[in-house]
Parts: sequence; C-alpha cells; structure tokens
Amino acid sequence: QQQVKQSPQSLIVQKGGISIINCAYENTAFDYFPWYQQFPGKGPALLIAIRPDVSEKKEGRFTISFNKSAKQFSLHIMDSQPGDSATYFCAASGGYGNKLVFGAGTILRVKS
Amino acid sequence: AAGVIQSPRHLIKEKRETATLKCYPIPRHDTVYWYQQGPGQDPQFLISFYEKMQSDKGSIPDRFSAQQFSDYHSELNMSSLELGDSALYFCASSQGILDEQYFGPGTRLTVT
Repeated sequence: QQQVKQSPQSLIVQKGGISIINCAYENTAFDYFPWYQQFPGKGPALLIAIRPDVSEKKEGRFTISFNKSAKQFSLHIMDSQPGDSATYFCAASGGYGNKLVFGAGTILRVKS
Repeated sequence: AAGVIQSPRHLIKEKRETATLKCYPIPRHDTVYWYQQGPGQDPQFLISFYEKMQSDKGSIPDRFSAQQFSDYHSELNMSSLELGDSALYFCASSQGILDEQYFGPGTRLTVT
C-alpha cells in the first residue's frame, strides 16, 4: 500500500504552461516533504522541499503548496519547458531515521 | 559541488553470485541511505546509517547486509542473488539524520 499517493500518473503540458502534480499522505508523523526530479537512468535530484510550518514555498519556477489539514501537497512548475520533461516523485519522511517514502511518480512531458 | 559517488555504475552477475556496491557520501555528510528502484517504480528504502551505526531498516532481504566505515563510505553486500534483485540501487547522503538527502547516480545491477 502506497503511503504517499501521487497523481496524475502522467502529464502532458504545452511549453509555457503550468504543470501541477498532487500528493496526499495519511501518516501524521510525516514532517518533511521533498520533491525529486529524475531523468532516465539517473539518480533522483532534490528540487524543493517543505516542512508543515509553512503553506507555500517558491524556488524559481517551482512552487510547493502544502495543506496540513487536508494532508495534501502539490508541486507547481510555472512556464514549463521541454527540459522539464522527466519523472517527478513526491516523498515524505518523519519520525526516527528520516527514511523517505516516495509516491509512485508522475511522468511529465512538455511539448514544444 | 561534490556529489555522492557510487561504484560500480553497472554490474552484471549470475544467479546465486554475490555483489558489493559502494557509496561515497558528499564530504562532511555523516548519514547514508540505500534505496532500491525497480523498472518504472519508485525508490524503496533499504537501510540507513548515521555516524557508522545502523539508524533504520526497511524492506531489505536477509541476504543483503550493509555497513558504514570510519570514513563514512558505505557498502551494500548482496549474496545469493536472484533475478528479482535486478534494479537500480541508489545511495543518498545527508548531513545529520534530519537533513535533505542527496542521491548518487546509482548502480544498475543485472542478475542473469
């Protein structure tokens, strides 16, 4: 059973558009929520992360929105570019050990 | 900036053989995590070490063992390899047990 549920499974966006990926969790012990970008055959690269004490965090074209009461968080990619085409994973961690629990991933394709 | 180094990058083994994967964390990072990623799947946590002590354990088979050495590098030892062990194995490191995790490029293990 996936502890972090991610949607959509795949996403096609036009160049310049906004890409939105959503994640939901149940474990209230989670207190750290990163997003990773992964290209085929490469390691996941940390994009941006948020903790529950803030509702939004922005870094460049990437924004995380966090809704603690709904136990949901999302990634917005503004002005999406073909180079953003990759698989995006949300993740969560909390409690002892800090292991990351990943969502199933979203394959993003940005059409030029 | 220095990144996580993993070796070898590719490894082909036969069933029932053994394999050793190595991970060199980012300088001054004292925590190492191992993840396994099957084709089209999200990374699954195997085991982690903080200051050379095992800090957490996930779904790691008994056939696998790992340790972290005095220079903070880590090795994942896999014995009696099975076809199902074929996957990408990632190492991630962090500075402290509660900090952001940075992933290496991975080792692609193929068991034939």
